[in-house]
Amino acid sequence: LAKTTQPISMDSYEGQEVNITCSHNNIATNDYITWYQQFPSQGPRFIIQGYKTKVTNEVASLFIPADRKSSTLSLPRVSLSDTAVYYCLVGKSNFGNEKLTFGTGTRLTIIP
Amino acid sequence: GAVVSQHPSWVICKSGTSVKIECRSLDFQATTMFWYRQFPKQSLMLMATSNEGSKATYEQGVEKDKFLINHASLTLSTLTVTSAHPEDSSFYICSVKQENTGELFFGEGSRLTVL
Repeated sequence: LAKTTQPISMDSYEGQEVNITCSHNNIATNDYITWYQQFPSQGPRFIIQGYKTKVTNEVASLFIPADRKSSTLSLPRVSLSDTAVYYCLVGKSNFGNEKLTFGTGTRLTIIP
Repeated sequence: GAVVSQHPSWVICKSGTSVKIECRSLDFQATTMFWYRQFPKQSLMLMATSNEGSKATYEQGVEKDKFLINHASLTLSTLTVTSAHPEDSSFYICSVKQENTGELFFGEGSRLTVL
């Protein structure tokens, strides 16, 4: 499984756009990039998944450059409720029988 | 609504006792479920893969005799922490794989505190 590297923590003010970048230099051709959000004492929650270029849904956008060695999760106009840990994972879309490996994640703190 | 249900959401027990945690898939049948453990301010660590009708596959360093996993039906997997000790205190999370789409759904977690 491709290893991922993210910043350990980030702070941002309410109302700003937050971009969290994840490095995955060893991503395989058939790997997808998936981001999860985890609040304290809760299980992770799926945010977004992509393969290349840009993906957007109602909560976030995911930007993936052509070489796919990194990806950026973009959260528009964050609020206090976006304070959480964000995990970037790389693997096959259906994950097959792959074992999901969570990296350190990025602890995002939104400041009022 | 929730796709995966874990029970109990928290439990406190005395050292030496055994604790069972249930993971239920509410919306679909699942042949594969995963159990994770998460210590405070750390990431999720995969403990084992639960396979319906067969033995679980444990990750290196996880004692199979201490963490008993039973996946007796397509909607239920249980994790039993046997002879629990304070160092077993942790947040235990299960996830369920939907076979058709491969999408993973996580439970809300179960916090175990061993006194």
